[in-house]
Amino acid sequence: SQQGEEDPQALSIQEGENATMNCSYKTSINNLQWYRQNSGRGLVHLILIRSNEREKHSGRLRVTLDTSKKSSSLLITASRAADTASYFCATALYGNNRLAFGKGNQVVVIP
Amino acid sequence: DVKVTQSSRYLVKRTGEKVFLECVQDMDHENMFWYRQDPGLGLRLIYFSYDVKMKEKGDIPEGYSVSREKKERFSLILESASTNQTSMYLCASSWGQPSTDTQYFGPGTRLTVL
Repeated sequence: SQQGEEDPQALSIQEGENATMNCSYKTSINNLQWYRQNSGRGLVHLILIRSNEREKHSGRLRVTLDTSKKSSSLLITASRAADTASYFCATALYGNNRLAFGKGNQVVVIP
Repeated sequence: DVKVTQSSRYLVKRTGEKVFLECVQDMDHENMFWYRQDPGLGLRLIYFSYDVKMKEKGDIPEGYSVSREKKERFSLILESASTNQTSMYLCASSWGQPSTDTQYFGPGTRLTVL
């Protein structure tokens, strides 16, 4: 099944810096979603970007989607210690009843 | 706010036991999902349900079954638990299909099978 792949797998940054992570996928999608998971907890939805959108913002988050390259990026600006988490991209195919999740990207923000 | 609850945060069972994991959502969502999460493998879909008494296999249904007798409740059953089913289990729900909608997750159940 379709699966996003995040890159880099792990990222360590200083508080206040920006964090960028990428997600690549293999086949055409209807939408791509980003989720955050704090240690040992459930996932929390961050943002959904549809295949006909190129960029979307939510607070300190900025997501881009390049369907020609089959890739997406998530930018967290002015990172905080509370942003320490794993970030997952998930892709949804047209008419498909499921999301395919990537393996996740661990981000550590050092105070 | 949407709330998805799972019956246990931590569970320890013995090999061969029958295990029930319960998930309840309070927002009248049509769709409910069970995933397992393992290090290095991400989330993998076990089963999902798009209506009461309706279910569909995900990517790794072997060794599992599900039950959805009421709209708000989706149960995952391990008929005979094995050590390779030690994992984090996550339940999720959504209004519409993943192709159009987001999923709301419960806090997870960390199951250890000894």
